[in-house]
Amino acid sequence: QIQLEQSGTEVKKPGASVTVSCKASGYTFTNYAISWFRQAPGQGLEWMGWASGYSSHTNYAQKFRGRVTLTTDVSTDTAYMELRSLRFDDTAVYYCARDLSGSYYFGFWFDPWGQGTLVTVSS
Amino acid sequence: DIVMTQTPLSLSVSPGQPASISCRSSQSLLHSDGKTYLYWYLQKSGQSPQLLIYEVSKRFSGVPDRFSGSGSGTDFTLKISRVEAEDVGVYYCMQSKQLPVTFAGGTKVEIK
Repeated sequence: QIQLEQSGTEVKKPGASVTVSCKASGYTFTNYAISWFRQAPGQGLEWMGWASGYSSHTNYAQKFRGRVTLTTDVSTDTAYMELRSLRFDDTAVYYCARDLSGSYYFGFWFDPWGQGTLVTVSS
Repeated sequence: DIVMTQTPLSLSVSPGQPASISCRSSQSLLHSDGKTYLYWYLQKSGQSPQLLIYEVSKRFSGVPDRFSGSGSGTDFTLKISRVEAEDVGVYYCMQSKQLPVTFAGGTKVEIK
C-alpha cells in the first residue's frame, strides 16, 4: 500500500522555523518526486514546491522562494519541508504528495497525499 | 501565474441526481506536447485531497465511472452522473501546464 506519513502538529512563534517530514512507503522512493502544498484554515490549496526523489533538484513557487527548503533523504525514503521566518499567516495544514509525472517543469499530478500536518504560528 | 476559476461555489444535489462543475483557466492548458494538464481532486471533510481525473478526462484508478471530465483549452467540466452520499466534499480543479501549479477555489458539494 502506497503511503505518505507526515510528522505531527507543530506550534511555533513568529520568526521561528518549522520542519515537516513525509515518510514514503510502498513504492520506490527514488522513482518519484514529492511536492508540498498548504491549505490555510477554510481556504483552498496552494502549491509550494517540488523536490526530486533521487537528486537535489528542486523547484519552488516564487512566493516561497528564499523562505522554504525542500529536501529528500533516499536513505530513509523521507522528504522534508523547512519553512523559515514564520508569520501568523503561515498557519495552515501542510501536505506532501507524490508526483506521478516524472517531469521537472510541467505536467505534475499527485497521488497519494500525506495526511497533513497542522502548523500553527502563534505568539 | 495561470488563474483557475470554478463555478458554482457550492452545489446541493439530491441523491441519484446529476451534478456539474465548471472550471476555467486564464490561459489555454494545452501544452506543446499535445497534452492538456487539467486535473480534478476531491477533498472530503477532514481528509487529504484525492485524485479523480487526470489530463481532462482520464479517470484515475478506482474512481467510479459516474465521474467524468471533459473540455479543452480554457474551459473544463466535471460531471457526476448520479450523486451518492460519499461524493460530498470540496472539488478542486488544478492545472500543471506551467509552474506554479495552481488550483481553483473549489466547489462544495452537499447532499439535499
